[in-house]
Amino acid sequence: LAKTTQPISMDSYEGQEVNITCSHNNIATNDYITWYQQFPSQGPRFIIQGYKTKVTNEVASLFIPADRKSSTLSLPRVSLSDTAVYYCLVGDMGSNAGNMLTFGGGTRLMVKP
Amino acid sequence: DADVTQTPRNRITKTGKRIMLECSQTKGHDRMYWYRQDPGLGLRLIYYSFDVKDINKGEISDGYSVSRQAQAKFSLSLESAIPNQTALYFCATRGTGDTQYFGPGTRLTVL
Repeated sequence: LAKTTQPISMDSYEGQEVNITCSHNNIATNDYITWYQQFPSQGPRFIIQGYKTKVTNEVASLFIPADRKSSTLSLPRVSLSDTAVYYCLVGDMGSNAGNMLTFGGGTRLMVKP
Repeated sequence: DADVTQTPRNRITKTGKRIMLECSQTKGHDRMYWYRQDPGLGLRLIYYSFDVKDINKGEISDGYSVSRQAQAKFSLSLESAIPNQTALYFCATRGTGDTQYFGPGTRLTVL
């Protein structure tokens, strides 16, 4: 399983764009990159997933360079309600190995007024 | 997400007691998971199940057991609870897609 490294915490202000980068140097060919968001005392919630280049949905964008050894979650114009912990996961979603998803410590994002 | 429910939501028990945490889902997913989260840390996988007949240990299965009574139900048991099992426990499901859906969590305190 590919190990991931993220910053422990980040601070931002309302209205700013936030970029959280995750390193996964040992990513395998079949691995996908998935980001989850977790609020205090709640279960994680899926945000976005990608394999390469760029993926965008109504919540965020995910940028993955050609070598796939890192990825960046971009949250446009954050609000106070985006304060949460963000987890980067790497795994082979198409096989049983993907069931052993590993959640690292995540990045604690604090959005200030 | 009401599609995945956990009971109880909070539980306080004493060392040595047997505890069962229950998870039910209405998503029709085959794959179900139990995770544990300690304060300030990420989630760690305890057990997972591909279907009713398939149970697999995760990275921290010692001291825990599970039962997959039906596709929709996956229970986690602590046979003899100890204080270091005090944590937040999450159940999750996954269908044929790539996303895991988490329950609201059970906060367990072992005194």
